[in-house]
Amino acid sequence: GQNIDQPTEMTATEGAIVQINCTYQTSGFNGLFWYQQHAGEAPTFLSYNVLDGLEEKGRFSSFLSRSKGYSYLLLKELQMKDSASYLCACQDSNYQLIWGAGTKLIIKP
Amino acid sequence: IAGITQAPTSQILAAGRRMTLRCTQDMRHNAMYWYRQDLGLGLRLIHYSNTAGTTGKGEVPDGYSVSRANTDDFPLTLASAVPSQTSVYFCASSDAEAGELFFGEGSRLTVL
Repeated sequence: GQNIDQPTEMTATEGAIVQINCTYQTSGFNGLFWYQQHAGEAPTFLSYNVLDGLEEKGRFSSFLSRSKGYSYLLLKELQMKDSASYLCACQDSNYQLIWGAGTKLIIKP
Repeated sequence: IAGITQAPTSQILAAGRRMTLRCTQDMRHNAMYWYRQDLGLGLRLIHYSNTAGTTGKGEVPDGYSVSRANTDDFPLTLASAVPSQTSVYFCASSDAEAGELFFGEGSRLTVL
């Protein structure tokens, strides 16, 4: 079956670094997305990985290993506004998105 | 401001009633989607449309119907609402089958 696993909740300190992991099993694979969702709001796009390796975009980076079925989102210099849920989603062979349940990130001062 | 507009933002509905959630986008995206989001679960695809005039079933289509008469509008209809359809519904669009999704602000539906 198709499955996306990510931790339910993580806590980190303002100014620190946090890594949110995502493992997946899908029917084929065409790419992996990360979205940010603040409470009561819509998800917004963060990153898209197709090839193995690290994609850096400001304070946020996303890594993909296709052979291991594994990705992570790295957030540096954490700010209070980074408190949100982070959603991992994989595209299967039909380009349909399979979504993880999301990781709620709590930032403490 | 370009984007996706959903209506209503929130609605309480009696079981058995018919309800249509509206979704309009002004980005001229070909593909549109309806998802539901429930606590502890990932977003689940209800129906999608790759282009005007065509629709397809997603992971949880039962009890829902959609239409795509033109590029901009993609309404979702619950013919006879049931309490298990209590959820937050998100409409989304993308300019390509494999592209980034743009989401509306969501419609919170409670069925009593």
